[in-house]
Amino acid sequence: IAGITQAPTSQILAAGRRMTLRCTQDMRHNAMYWYRQDLGLGLRLIHYSNTAGTTGKGEVPDGYSVSRANTDDFPLTLASAVPSQTSVYFCASSDYAGGPYNEQFFGPGTRLTVL
Amino acid sequence: QKEVEQNSGPLSVPEGAIASLNCTYSDRGSQSFFWYRQYSGKSPELIMFIYSNGDKEDGRFTAQLNKASQYVSLLIRDSQPSDSATYLCAVNMRAWDYSGGSNYKLTFGKGTLLTVNP
Repeated sequence: IAGITQAPTSQILAAGRRMTLRCTQDMRHNAMYWYRQDLGLGLRLIHYSNTAGTTGKGEVPDGYSVSRANTDDFPLTLASAVPSQTSVYFCASSDYAGGPYNEQFFGPGTRLTVL
Repeated sequence: QKEVEQNSGPLSVPEGAIASLNCTYSDRGSQSFFWYRQYSGKSPELIMFIYSNGDKEDGRFTAQLNKASQYVSLLIRDSQPSDSATYLCAVNMRAWDYSGGSNYKLTFGKGTLLTVNP
């Protein structure tokens, strides 16, 4: 069982380019999340999806979009990358987001550098 | 602004000692609390969760919760060099969306760097 996989592991991207970070989970979790982690700022929620077909905005959604066509996949797209989007991106999932007792599990992360 | 506060550290303890990591949170209605461990260059790994006031023990780890004081802590007994990592406190807080519905989101502290010296 892989849990959560993310691709690519790392990427260097020119500013202005479009980039999609991939996330797949095999735990049949209903909810999925995208975070970015920056030194001194901690983990911040970008977008989330409580169930397939629905998405919502987190704390720092600008410049990012997501889709949730099925239970397993939750890609994150940067339409036109800017240097401030240089970060480590983590995908996470949890069984259920409607109640308070939802433990989240994290993927291995994608290290993105925008030049 | 709902917040989770942790001392950034670094917290340095000798091998075999008890490491005490602390966290306070602002949302009095929070019901669930999590501790994640993150090694350098790796992803956060869930190590403990606690829902009720009091202590919860799992091996060398004890989570303590005091909802009245809005305080949660993690004790690591018999600390080992392999415990050296950043420990993230996370609190599940209720969030309201534009349609009036609600769900729960984890709010993370910025983490405490723990170093266990051999």
